[in-house]
Amino acid sequence: DAMVIQNPRYQVTQFGKPVTLSCSQTLNHNVMYWYQQKSSQAPKLLFHYYDKDFNNEADTPDNFQSRRPNTSFCFLDIRSPGLGDAAMYLCATSRVTGLGETQYFGPGTRLLVL
Amino acid sequence: GENVEQHPSTLSVQEGDSAVIKCTYSDSASNYFPWYKQELGKGPQLIIDIRSNVGEKKDQRIAVTLNKTAKHFSLHITETQPEDSAVYFCAASIGNSGYSTLTFGKGTMLLVSP
Repeated sequence: DAMVIQNPRYQVTQFGKPVTLSCSQTLNHNVMYWYQQKSSQAPKLLFHYYDKDFNNEADTPDNFQSRRPNTSFCFLDIRSPGLGDAAMYLCATSRVTGLGETQYFGPGTRLLVL
Repeated sequence: GENVEQHPSTLSVQEGDSAVIKCTYSDSASNYFPWYKQELGKGPQLIIDIRSNVGEKKDQRIAVTLNKTAKHFSLHITETQPEDSAVYFCAASIGNSGYSTLTFGKGTMLLVSP
């Protein structure tokens, strides 16, 4: 039973052509995260939503945007992908408990920029 | 901010041996420490976690220990099997009345040879 679903699993885009990655969850968690993971590196947090409140990491490029139209869905928009944006993009969710929140990750979307 | 160091970066063991991965953290306020296993081309999967009010936790062949004084925690895998081969990430977070984000270590590639 998939809990965090990401579509598509693989995405090929052209340099400069906008692309949107999607994430949905069946856990009813109030926090959703987007990470970028490059080869042989740890996931790097781009931004997250706590309910409808958007939180951007200080070093996330302006080229990356996000939307969360409802609790279940969250989108990552890359406005003008560059070659350096080729990576695995991971979505994760958690429920706020104030005790340290377990994050559940989706399978990821691998983005290739030509 | 929090900084998590993880060692070793690569670990090779024979099937049936034990494997130990160690992490240190910098912020004494951190109180939640999950471990993730990531197989090639997949998203990270939570395998075990520990909170600061506990010194050790075990789940079958996997155990985690936490030393708050020294600010380090370790993952122990006994009776390793080839399917344990993957990249393992430790992480730390500070859970309080709000919510927190994870700081990841750089990962350990575990190779279990038959």
